[in-house]
Amino acid sequence: GEDVEQSLFLSVREGDSSVINCTYTDSSSTYLYWYKQEPGAGLQLLTYIFSNMDMKQDQRLTVLLNKKDKHLSLRIADTQTGDSAIYFCAERGYYKLSFGAGTTVTVRA
Amino acid sequence: DTGVSQDPRHKITKRGQNVTFRCDPISEHNRLYWYRQTLGQGPEFLTYFQNEAQLEKSRLLSDRFSAERPKGSFSTLEIQRTEQGDSAMYLCASSWGGVDATNEKLFFGSGTQLSVL
Repeated sequence: GEDVEQSLFLSVREGDSSVINCTYTDSSSTYLYWYKQEPGAGLQLLTYIFSNMDMKQDQRLTVLLNKKDKHLSLRIADTQTGDSAIYFCAERGYYKLSFGAGTTVTVRA
Repeated sequence: DTGVSQDPRHKITKRGQNVTFRCDPISEHNRLYWYRQTLGQGPEFLTYFQNEAQLEKSRLLSDRFSAERPKGSFSTLEIQRTEQGDSAMYLCASSWGGVDATNEKLFFGSGTQLSVL
């Protein structure tokens, strides 16, 4: 989606933290989402954050939202090989989700 | 709950042929979405249904594309006179959308990969 931008690639060592960044344009978006896609599969909802929150933590996942800068990030603690995938952020518009192009995360041993 | 099912998983067709894909949403979900995803891109919205009513269609959905959800359950997406540019992954998603559906969680199927030769 042209309204949501992400960096395309991230390489991280197993056990380190990963941080995936996203910027969006629709200031009226009330919810923002992170999805994960593994090869040959559909998208799996990982987590979401409401726009009046700054942070949300869910086990190894931490979402940070800077609404003023329209910047969203996803931190994965203790990254594992199973975390290798494409991660999409999405903003909720009036009737649909608009997705970024995805960040390919590669976890190296 | 078996999740969102899509059939077929893969479809190879010749240019000019018609193809039809099917999506079975999660049973209690009232909303159903079709998205298209090409290599290296995120999913792009095509259309969505609330129950059996098709409420929105993207400009991406040319006249060759038609979608139906006749009884508010499964949906079909048909592409007539396929072109090579139609090659993509077609993703279906479903959700429960209430009066205040701003935190609407979409659940995606595994998609149908279309290759037009």
